[in-house]
Amino acid sequence: DQQVKQNSPSLSVQEGRISILNCDYTNSMFDYFLWYKKYPAEGPTFLISISSIKDKNEDGRFTVFLNKSAKHLSLHIVPSQPGDSAVYFCAASALGGGATNKLIFGTGTLLAVQP
Amino acid sequence: NAGVTQTPKFQVLKTGQSMTLQCAQDMNHNSMYWYRQDPGMGLRLIYYSASEGTTDKGEVPNGYNVSRLNKREFSLRLESAAPSQTSVYFCASSERYPKNTEAFFGQGTRLTVV
Repeated sequence: DQQVKQNSPSLSVQEGRISILNCDYTNSMFDYFLWYKKYPAEGPTFLISISSIKDKNEDGRFTVFLNKSAKHLSLHIVPSQPGDSAVYFCAASALGGGATNKLIFGTGTLLAVQP
Repeated sequence: NAGVTQTPKFQVLKTGQSMTLQCAQDMNHNSMYWYRQDPGMGLRLIYYSASEGTTDKGEVPNGYNVSRLNKREFSLRLESAAPSQTSVYFCASSERYPKNTEAFFGQGTRLTVV
């Protein structure tokens, strides 16, 4: 049973436009959410996170929105750049339930930013 | 800064062979993790260690064992490799609750079992 779902395997956008990547989760115990970016032949790197007490977190061109009632989060990249082309993973954690920040990942969305 | 270091980077095994994937972190993190990445499956947690001396199963632990050797090192062992274990393996580390730090990943080990 996939607790974190990314239903779009791929997304293509033009340089300078907005990229919106979506993620849904099913476990109501999740209270911390992260986005990771992954280039080929490299490990995932942390991009941005959000706690369940917030509905928005912004870091430069990257903004994450959380809708707890819908169990949905999204990552907005504005403006998109060719260097943003990568696989983006959504991840969730239930921090309040235990001693570790173990992450449950979605299946990833391949973003291609066209020049 | 080295961060999380995994060895080896590539490995080819024959079915039934055993091997150990090594992982070390220099960030003084308490928690460490092993994930595997497969096409269309994302990253799936194999085992994790919340702190030195403890290990727990993740989503897909069958066929694997782990050892938390000390605070820095967390190894993953395949006792009898199977083709279904062909994958890219990632080690990660993070602080533990209640510190909300992200997990840092190594570069990965690409394992092929023939």
